[in-house]
Amino acid sequence: GNSVTQMEGPVTLSEEAFLTINCTYTATGYPSLFWYVQYPGEGLQLLLKATKADDKGSNKGFEATYRKETTSFHLEKGSVQVSDSAVYFCALKGRQAGTALIFGKGTTLSVSS
Amino acid sequence: GAGVSQSPRYKVAKRGQDVALRCDPISGHVSLFWYQQALGQGPEFLTYFQNEAQLDKSGLPSDRFFAERPEGSVSTLKIQRTQQEDSAVYLCASSLGGVGETNTEAFFGQGTRLTVV
Repeated sequence: GNSVTQMEGPVTLSEEAFLTINCTYTATGYPSLFWYVQYPGEGLQLLLKATKADDKGSNKGFEATYRKETTSFHLEKGSVQVSDSAVYFCALKGRQAGTALIFGKGTTLSVSS
Repeated sequence: GAGVSQSPRYKVAKRGQDVALRCDPISGHVSLFWYQQALGQGPEFLTYFQNEAQLDKSGLPSDRFFAERPEGSVSTLKIQRTQQEDSAVYLCASSLGGVGETNTEAFFGQGTRLTVV
C-alpha cells in the first residue's frame, strides 16, 4: 500500500542554518505530495504541495521538488528562523478528492537564536 | 466560521465512558475526513464523508468507533466504551471538492485531545 517515510527528529539548528528534511514515498499511480506544518498549539497547515513529477512546491522560503525517479519530496530552506520551529509532516494523496492523506510520522524542528 | 472548528479542544474520559467529538467544517465543503493522531505519530485516516454519505470507514479501528454527518455539514465522531489506547488527538479536515473533482486541498481543525484514564 501507499506509505510515507520521513527522517526522524528532532532536528536542532541555529538561526540562518540550511534545512533539509528527507521524505520518501511508496505509492501506486501518481499521487500528489504535500508538506504540512504544525506550530505549537495550532492545527495542521498546508505548507506546500506538488501534483506531478518535477513540480516544485514553494512557500515561505521552503521548497520541495517531486522526484519520481527517487520517489522523494525532500523539504529544504536556505536560512531557517526561530519562528520555523514546528513539527513538519510529509504526506501523499491520490488525485481525486475523497481520498485520504497518508502522513509520515513527522519531524520536529527546533531553531535557536 | 472561517475555518474548521472542533469541540471540545480537550476531553478527559474515564475508561468505559462514551464520548462524542464534534467537527464544524468550512461552510460549503463537500468532503469531510476524520483522522487519529497518536502521540509522536502522524495522523492516520479514520473515515470519510461526501456530504452526508459515509463513503469510506476503513480506518475505524473497531466497532466502538462511529461517525455521522446527518445533514452534510456538522459531523460527530463517537467512541463507545473508551479504552486507554483511544487516547490521541482526533483531527477533522474538510475540502471543497467531492469524489470525481480535483480540488483536493484539505483544511484541518485544531483537533480534540482525548485522554482516557
